[in-house]
Amino acid sequence: EPEVTQTPSHQVTQMGQEVILRCVPISNHLYFYWYRQILGQKVEFLVSFYNNEISEKSEIFDDQFSVERPDGSNFTLKIRSTKLEDSAMYFCAITAVGSPLHFGNGTRLTVT
Amino acid sequence: ILNVEQSPQSLHVQEGDSTNFTCSFPSSNFYALHWYRWETAKSPEALFVMTLNGDEKKKGRISATLNTKEGYSYLYIKGSQPEDSATYLCARGGATNKLIFGTGTLLAVQP
Repeated sequence: EPEVTQTPSHQVTQMGQEVILRCVPISNHLYFYWYRQILGQKVEFLVSFYNNEISEKSEIFDDQFSVERPDGSNFTLKIRSTKLEDSAMYFCAITAVGSPLHFGNGTRLTVT
Repeated sequence: ILNVEQSPQSLHVQEGDSTNFTCSFPSSNFYALHWYRWETAKSPEALFVMTLNGDEKKKGRISATLNTKEGYSYLYIKGSQPEDSATYLCARGGATNKLIFGTGTLLAVQP
């Protein structure tokens, strides 16, 4: 059974619209991450989340991005006003101390 | 700021070739070094987690070594196959288990 479930598996949205990508870890973990991979490009770190707050973020993670754990279990990534260049595969990852990251199956975001 | 560097950025090899990549990281306050294999449009897969200087781990045709004193790790692939084509990521873990990833090495194995 996977430790991380991401929904939706594919999201199509129009430019300028808001999207929320969801991640549901099966068990409690301390650290949560969002990564993305634009098709044909390298994987990119977006943000890490620890103890219910952002612990680190990349330069990509600008004001249009936000993360939260609204109910203590779901971990969401919100993109407020999507751009064409936000089209990518977005991965959630979780880890506990001393363990490797466990990644979800990803959400493919397509911005038209 | 912890910088994890990987080289080369990309690598093209022929099927059957053996290859290796490098991951460089700050050696101070070292806790762990992770390697991941990431195929496009799939979930990244954990390969190794290494913690001790001199560690050497092996998984099939893939192996990794660790030098924490000088701050580098090598990943080796023996007899590359087309299915080995992926991005190989290394990440350095610190005291709080925050992982700092390198930019990855994109491996393409030509049949």
